[in-house]
Amino acid sequence: AQSVTQPDIHITVSEGASLELRCNYSYGATPYLFWYVQSPGQGLQLLLKYFSGDTLVQGIKGFEAEFKRSQSSFNLRKPSVHWSDAAEYFCAVGAGVGNTPLVFGKGTRLSVIA
Amino acid sequence: DAGVIQSPRHEVTEMGQEVTLRCKPISGHDYLFWYRQTMMRGLELLIYFNNNVPIDDSGMPEDRFSAKMPNASFSTLKIQPSEPRDSAVYFCASSLGRGYNYGYTFGSGTRLTVV
Repeated sequence: AQSVTQPDIHITVSEGASLELRCNYSYGATPYLFWYVQSPGQGLQLLLKYFSGDTLVQGIKGFEAEFKRSQSSFNLRKPSVHWSDAAEYFCAVGAGVGNTPLVFGKGTRLSVIA
Repeated sequence: DAGVIQSPRHEVTEMGQEVTLRCKPISGHDYLFWYRQTMMRGLELLIYFNNNVPIDDSGMPEDRFSAKMPNASFSTLKIQPSEPRDSAVYFCASSLGRGYNYGYTFGSGTRLTVV
């Protein structure tokens, strides 16, 4: 079965600084990978997804993520963080075959300081 | 489309009472998922349906929890009797197919407080 780990529980960055949120997955074949964002009091919103092809994928709100098979990682990046990016971020993995639901990581809370 | 609609947004109830959470998925979506979110456990999958049929309910914590999907446009999650440890945010999500092509669409959640 697939699994996903987000090593960082909480990250604080300054507004305008770059951001990288880590995600490591475990799955024997090529996974389906997702990043979601949850603003306070809201549900999860899809930021971006990866299935195949170009390993650098672009998402909404200026986010991007890079799939690195050799490292089993799918890290989320943003070159310049805005205060409105403060939220909880979830990485999720889906199996390439079968009917299993997405498996979500425990999330990384991002705080943005002035 | 109005997205996935959950009601109520907030629910405060006394221990021992029955609680019913409601979800209206996106029209045309054939998968529906119920999640529970807590600080300690993060996002837990409770149960999911495909074409209104429950596929896997192994995440339902106890017999006090039950879920139904009588038709493609409505699902309920019921807790009877409720306990303080059930306090959490409950999310409903729906998807077209397994959700791998377009991801899941989540509702805004129901914040349940059992006192």
